[in-house]
Amino acid sequence: AQSVSQHNHHVILSEAASLELGCNYSYGGTVNLFWYVQYPGQHLQLLLKYFSGDPLVKGIKGFEAEFIKSKFSFNLRKPSVQWSDTAEYFCAVNRADGLTFGKGTHLIIQP
Amino acid sequence: NAGVTQTPKFRVLKTGQSMTLLCAQDMNHEYMYWYRQDPGMGLRLIHYSVGEGTTAKGEVPDGYNVSRLKKQNFLLGLESAAPSQTSVYFCASRRDPQGLRTEAFFGQGTRLTVV
Repeated sequence: AQSVSQHNHHVILSEAASLELGCNYSYGGTVNLFWYVQYPGQHLQLLLKYFSGDPLVKGIKGFEAEFIKSKFSFNLRKPSVQWSDTAEYFCAVNRADGLTFGKGTHLIIQP
Repeated sequence: NAGVTQTPKFRVLKTGQSMTLLCAQDMNHEYMYWYRQDPGMGLRLIHYSVGEGTTAKGEVPDGYNVSRLKKQNFLLGLESAAPSQTSVYFCASRRDPQGLRTEAFFGQGTRLTVV
């Protein structure tokens, strides 16, 4: 069965720090990968997605992620975080019966 | 364009009561999903539907039933609510006529408390 692991459950950073959130998946076939963000009290919104091609994908708000097939990883990065990036971040793998989500990373940015 | 709309947004139930959560999408999507979100657990799939008139069980289906009588609506029912069903419920839809290369769109969520 597919599974998604997010290594960091809580991350606290200062503004302007660099961010990297880890995501590993377990699936041997073709994967379609996503990062979603959930701002406090809101629904999930798509940050970025990878289907094929260039393994470095860029999303909204300056986020990017790199797909490394050999490591089964899809880590999320941002060079310089802002206070408004405080949110919960979910990595997910697409499958026929729905998205399989990681448990999420709660990111807090301190001003 | 409303996207995915869930009603109600908040609800408090007593143990044993029943209720139905409604999800409506106006994007003509084939696939619809119900997830529950619990602290430290991420989102877990309850039930899903791949088209009008079809439903299937997800990861945590016990205690829930669903119906998809119309393509745009996906109903989640709790027949006899239990405190363990206290959660935030999200509905999502996805176009996906040919494969998995489409994103899911989520509703605003329903916060349900069972006392």
